[in-house]
Amino acid sequence: SAVISQKPSRDICQRGTSLTIQCQVDSQVTMMFWYRQQPGQSLTLIATANQGSEATYESGFVIDKFPISRPNLTFSTLTVSNMSPEDSSIYLCSVEHRLSSDTQYFGPGTRLTVL
Amino acid sequence: DAKTTQPNSMESNEEEPVHLPCNHSTISGTDYIHWYRQLPSQGPEYVIHGLTSNVNNRMASLAIAEDRKSSTLILHRATLRDAAVYYCILRDRGSTLGRLYFGRGTQLTVWP
Repeated sequence: SAVISQKPSRDICQRGTSLTIQCQVDSQVTMMFWYRQQPGQSLTLIATANQGSEATYESGFVIDKFPISRPNLTFSTLTVSNMSPEDSSIYLCSVEHRLSSDTQYFGPGTRLTVL
Repeated sequence: DAKTTQPNSMESNEEEPVHLPCNHSTISGTDYIHWYRQLPSQGPEYVIHGLTSNVNNRMASLAIAEDRKSSTLILHRATLRDAAVYYCILRDRGSTLGRLYFGRGTQLTVWP
């Protein structure tokens, strides 16, 4: 298994500002992902955070809006840039050990409200 | 990514079995069937997965149709803690490289 922590757990931000969300895992993992869950909706994959290289973004998400870093095998950050009220969501990171039985573990999420 | 179809909601009484259906008529031969659930105010958690044969673990059982076009997640004795959104997801290990694409899921309500 993996224990995942996210910081901050929640935040209220003004439009036009940026917020960086941190994801820390208690063990080295191969795969790390970032998801968004808008109010009342399901999860949408934003990107795969690649260690030592640029993240791989899903359709509809771009690096300028959601820059991602992954400096090592246990840590990643997601920045939500130039925020608008439409960015109000829960942002979740998830991880997967390459040698696991295809089990993905999710963090508790960061609840973001943009005013 | 292959699509799945689930009922929007289901209800059960506590201590009764629950059968959560999922249709995946366009499943390919290399797609695994994964189930995750999301408890209120938490991130999703893995429940079970399988390819062709039925699977059992401490949380649930997964029954897969012979033609693999549908599957059923079985909770043998529902508890109040099982109230959650249940997601059925198809995943091709090779092509998706770990990525999970969530549908709308089934909201399970458990009555005491």
